[in-house]
Amino acid sequence: DAKTTQPPSMDCAEGRAANLPCNHSTISGNEYVYWYRQIHSQGPQYIIHGLKNNETNEMASLIITEDRKSSTLILPHATLRDTAVYYCIVRVYNNNDMRFGAGTRLTVKP
Amino acid sequence: EAGVTQFPSHSVIEKGQTVTLRCDPISGHDNLYWYRRVMGKEIKFLLHFVKESKQDESGMPNNRFLAERTGGTYSTLKVQPAELEDSGVYFCASSQDVGVNGYTFGSGTRLTVV
Repeated sequence: DAKTTQPPSMDCAEGRAANLPCNHSTISGNEYVYWYRQIHSQGPQYIIHGLKNNETNEMASLIITEDRKSSTLILPHATLRDTAVYYCIVRVYNNNDMRFGAGTRLTVKP
Repeated sequence: EAGVTQFPSHSVIEKGQTVTLRCDPISGHDNLYWYRRVMGKEIKFLLHFVKESKQDESGMPNNRFLAERTGGTYSTLKVQPAELEDSGVYFCASSQDVGVNGYTFGSGTRLTVV
């Protein structure tokens, strides 16, 4: 699976949008982009995934560039409970070996 | 619906002892996965069950680790004998099918080998 690059940390003000970038310049045509997060002492939580179209669900939006080499996870109105490590993962849909990497530690501040 | 349940939540054992971790997946989920994060490292895949069969165990570190899923329901991960480097958090996840949807993870078992 392709490798991803994320900033190690980001801050966001409560109530503002949090935009988390991810670079995946070596992504293949059959690889999806997944986002998970891990809130302290909990297991990873699935957020959203996409192939090439932008996606939105009740938790977040995923914007994938046209060349698919990068993406952005958007939390539209960040709350203190969104403080977590966010992982961008690229994988073929049926590949069990998800590579979590180091992720981005997002801190939402009051 | 109940989520993925793991127990114990914490376990402290001495080097050389045996520990068994248990995972109860979401009811009806045929696919069960084990992952772990050892100290300072990334979360890594260990193995994947489809019902009671091991579909992929390429991530199992060595033969001190034995995973079972009798009857295709809950799963156990036994470490025998435990070594210091086995310390970390062991996560279990489940999914209804092998496909594009994300997995549901449990809260993990924190294993400390002293």
